[in-house]
Order: sequence, then structure tokens, then C-alpha cells
Amino acid sequence: AAGVIQSPRHLIKEKRETATLKCYPIPRHDTVYWYQQGPGQDPQFLISFYEKMQSDKGSIPDRFSAQQFSDYHSELNMSSLELGDSALYFCASSWRGGPARMTNEKLFFGSGTQLSVL
Amino acid sequence: GENVEQHPSTLSVQEGDSAVIKCTYSDSASNYFPWYKQELGKRPQLIIDIRSNVGEKKDQRIAVTLNKTAKHFSLHITETQPEDSAVYFCAASELRQAGTALIFGKGTTLSVSS
Repeated sequence: AAGVIQSPRHLIKEKRETATLKCYPIPRHDTVYWYQQGPGQDPQFLISFYEKMQSDKGSIPDRFSAQQFSDYHSELNMSSLELGDSALYFCASSWRGGPARMTNEKLFFGSGTQLSVL
Repeated sequence: GENVEQHPSTLSVQEGDSAVIKCTYSDSASNYFPWYKQELGKRPQLIIDIRSNVGEKKDQRIAVTLNKTAKHFSLHITETQPEDSAVYFCAASELRQAGTALIFGKGTTLSVSS
């Protein structure tokens, strides 16, 4: 079965540079989530999108932005990178089924992008 | 917002023993509680989940129990095997403005020795 695809798998950047992470959700999933996981930490919710519209924001820094495109893939854009941004970034997708439907969706995670800021 | 507490942070058992991991949550509106297993550097993988209208769910060697009144839920692994060694995260759904997001506990590192 198709899974959530993330690219790149690894990314090395210098401080103050920018980075773009990509996520391709499971086909027919309508919701995408971004999570940040520092070393030895739990995944922290950053932001989510439903049907190409921003759905909710978590602990996403102002230096980060994200969007979901017409083909449902999503990109996380990170600017002015700091050492503390080094982490595993996971994308997850789910099927919500409706804009006002507060369903409890199963989240399926991609393999993540390991970002290292030097 | 939702706050999830998970205990213990580390757990070491002998192969064949049982392992129990406990979580508490703060938001009484939460009604979905998944458990994820994560091996080093890999994605979190859903191993079992439970919804608030159910008190217990079992899948082979893995079971989850939920006490909504006390706001706690637990993962039970029986007949542990070395390949069960990983970090286990509990999570609770947080109802947000336009949907839900999973809020994770801090994780439990399970080590199963043979």
C-alpha cells in the first residue's frame, strides 16, 4: 500500500539558510500534519492542513511556513535556520472526510526528514 | 490544551515478561488514544488505538485499557520479545479549531533482554 512520502531524507544546512521539506500524503487522504521531533523528544505538532487550507497551528515558529498544493502535497519552508532547528521532521496524513467533522483520524507518518543545521 | 503524561520513561524486562506503560491526559474532551512504536531514526508506527466508547482493546500480544473517569490509559505487552525493544509513545487527540491533532507523551524506552 502507498505510504506517506517525504523528501529529502536527510538535509544539511548552515545557520541562517533556508530549507524546504516536501510531503506527499497517502492517496485520498485529505489532511496533512507536520511534526518536529528533537533528539530523544516526543513529536511536537507544528501545523496541519485540510483540503489545501491551513487547519490548525501548533508550536510552529514564525520563521517557518507551510502550504498544501492542489495535488495535496505539502511543503514546509524554514528560513533563518538556527542550530536548535536540527531535528527529525515528520509529515503525517489522515482522512478526515468533511470540513466540520471532528473525527479522530488515524495518523500515518512518513519516514521523516533529518535536518541538521551546522 | 491537552497535556499527556507518560510513565515510566524507561522500562527493562526479560524476554517473556509483560510490560505496562501508563499515560494520563488532561482534556476530558479527548476521545481518541493511539499508541505508536518508534525505532531509532524511524517513523512512529501505529500499533493499537482505542476510542472513548471502549474500555479495552486487544490485538494479539498487545492490549490497551482506558479509564475515562480517571483520564488514564495503559498499554500492555505480554510475552515480550527482543524485537519489541523500541520507544513507545502514547497520544491523545486534542480537539482544535478545525479538527484534531495528536498530542504525544514523552515516550517510554522499552528494552527486552533475552
